Amino acid sequence: GAGVSQSPSNKVTEKGKDVELRCDPISGHTALYWYRQSLGQGLEFLIYFQGNSAPDKSGLPSDRFSAERTGGSVSTLTIQRTQQEDSAVYLCASSLFEGIEAFFGQGTRLTVV
Amino acid sequence: DAKTTQPTSMDCAEGRAANLPCNHSTISGNEYVYWYRQIHSQGPQYIIHGLKNNETNEMASLIITEDRKSSTLILPHATLRDTAVYYCIVRVHGSGNTGKLIFGQGTTLQVKP
Repeated sequence: GAGVSQSPSNKVTEKGKDVELRCDPISGHTALYWYRQSLGQGLEFLIYFQGNSAPDKSGLPSDRFSAERTGGSVSTLTIQRTQQEDSAVYLCASSLFEGIEAFFGQGTRLTVV
Repeated sequence: DAKTTQPTSMDCAEGRAANLPCNHSTISGNEYVYWYRQIHSQGPQYIIHGLKNNETNEMASLIITEDRKSSTLILPHATLRDTAVYYCIVRVHGSGNTGKLIFGQGTTLQVKP
């Protein structure tokens, strides 16, 4: 595609429910990153994929958070048993390979009520 | 990654040059200086990057001091659409590095009519 696509753009969920957030990177980009941004805060790194493997998961805040990538393309970030503090904008980025400029999607705004 | 320090906020008159400073006094020899910006409610956008030479593209110029301990991003003719948070980031290139971007708080640039 022309850019990084994320869906849904907005998600409202009840506390305790599971949610899945999707990222479609730019075609051919091998590196994929997930970040989150809480209201009024900076961007917080969550996880990095190279192909289908995730060599850096250091930013995942708890074991309720997981992510996978299939076919070296689409990635899904799953949050189990959502809490109110999970409310944030979740951003995905991709780059042709690691270490060069990354292109970001528009994000998924998650609200846990 | 080396830490960067930026002013919290700056104002600039429309049509004038915006000069955004960044200190990265602990930068390593193999770390590049990257600039991104984030316009309200959008994902971050890549602007420019450099190692030690000054760089220019269609968006901006990057001036890196000879000792590489600081840099300045220059928007030559700021417009209202340049109002955004500007992030200065240092990161390592090359295989074996994830290339993840570590975002600080950035500089909020307000371009005024």
